[in-house]
Amino acid sequence: AQSVSQHNHHVILSEAASLELGCNYSYGGTVNLFWYVQYPGQHLQLLLKYFSGDPLVKGIKGFEAEFIKSKFSFNLRKPSVQWSDTAEYFCAVNQRNTGKLIFGQGTTLQVKP
Amino acid sequence: ETGVTQSPTHLIKTRGQQVTLRCSSQSGHNTVSWYQQALGQGPQFIFQYYREEENGRGNFPPRFSGLQFPNYSSELNVNALELDDSALYLCASSRDREAEKLFFGSGTQLSVL
Repeated sequence: AQSVSQHNHHVILSEAASLELGCNYSYGGTVNLFWYVQYPGQHLQLLLKYFSGDPLVKGIKGFEAEFIKSKFSFNLRKPSVQWSDTAEYFCAVNQRNTGKLIFGQGTTLQVKP
Repeated sequence: ETGVTQSPTHLIKTRGQQVTLRCSSQSGHNTVSWYQQALGQGPQFIFQYYREEENGRGNFPPRFSGLQFPNYSSELNVNALELDDSALYLCASSRDREAEKLFFGSGTQLSVL
């Protein structure tokens, strides 16, 4: 069965620190990969997505993620976090041409001012 | 704002009762997906409706059922509520069953006592 694993459940950083959140998935076929963010009290928003092509994808608010097929990984990065990045981050995968997203358990990021 | 609205925002029920949650999808979207997000977990796919028919279902028992109406709004019904059904229920709309472009609502927080 497909699954998504996020290594860090709770991350605390100071402003301007660099961020990397790990995500691994298990599925042998062709997949689409996503990172979603959920700010306190708000709906899930798409940060970035990978379908094909350049494995380094850039999203909103300075986030980027790198797809490494051999490692089944799709880690999220940001060079310098801000207090406003405090939120919950979810990695997700969907088997191409299906309507089902499989989410990881999420990582809570707390950025201290 | 995503254009996806859910009602009610909060709901308290007792074990054994039945509940109906509602979702109004974004204009132009003919597909609605429902997800359950338990506390501290990522969203889990319940099912998807496309043009009023169920188009895929996750690992949820039959007491979770749904409807999609001609205007593409949707309902999620849960019968015989259990304590473990307490969760945030998310609705997401998209065009033509695409999981690649999901727009999420803010969710309905259901508490089962």
